[in-house]
Amino acid sequence: DSGVTQTPKHLITATGQRVTLRCSPRSGDLSVYWYQQSLDQGLQFLIQYYNGEERAKGNILERFSAQQFPDLHSELNLSSLELGDSALYFCASSAISSGGSDTQYFGPGTRLTVL
Amino acid sequence: AQSVTQLDSQVPVFEEAPVELRCNYSSSVSVYLFWYVQYPNQGLQLLLKYLSGSTLVKGINGFEAEFNKSQTSFHLRKPSVHISDTAEYFCAVSVNDYKLSFGAGTTVTVRA
Repeated sequence: DSGVTQTPKHLITATGQRVTLRCSPRSGDLSVYWYQQSLDQGLQFLIQYYNGEERAKGNILERFSAQQFPDLHSELNLSSLELGDSALYFCASSAISSGGSDTQYFGPGTRLTVL
Repeated sequence: AQSVTQLDSQVPVFEEAPVELRCNYSSSVSVYLFWYVQYPNQGLQLLLKYLSGSTLVKGINGFEAEFNKSQTSFHLRKPSVHISDTAEYFCAVSVNDYKLSFGAGTTVTVRA
């Protein structure tokens, strides 16, 4: 158990809909990352937040957005869903003590299926 | 930008045999290197990481990896595998921008 929690575990929805994925980081970690894992794209970095502020952006679509709240939990919002958005979405957290060397601890993921 | 290539997509291996998973990276700056394991229906777990210093890094569950700067490689090894090592293994690289760039993964299947 990494200490990172994600809800829900599974999500099935229809095209055009909007969903919210939630992540609680490990106690004391200030940084949250979101990754998407799909069969065709592999594991891709989406976005990172540090202590409430956006720190870095990766291959995140404009239909997707995220935020980190004062209690440090984070939400990833996916809208106007398409079939190709079906994937496993991981959240990771780290303490951010020394830049890129920080270990990221991954949650169990949310499996999104768009029908 | 940095990138990672995992040279083997699938590695079948017999129980108690050694295994090596190959990883090459590309970067114009110094990197940090990681190996993660993903068991079926689970998240990623860190096996080991190279930050600096000794090029031989020991991790959990008997795994080790060797950083080779001239070859830009970070191969993962285990001298004797168990059935429980069946999983997908990901090599990842990071620079000072914090995010991890992952390879495509290597599926290890251990057979009795």
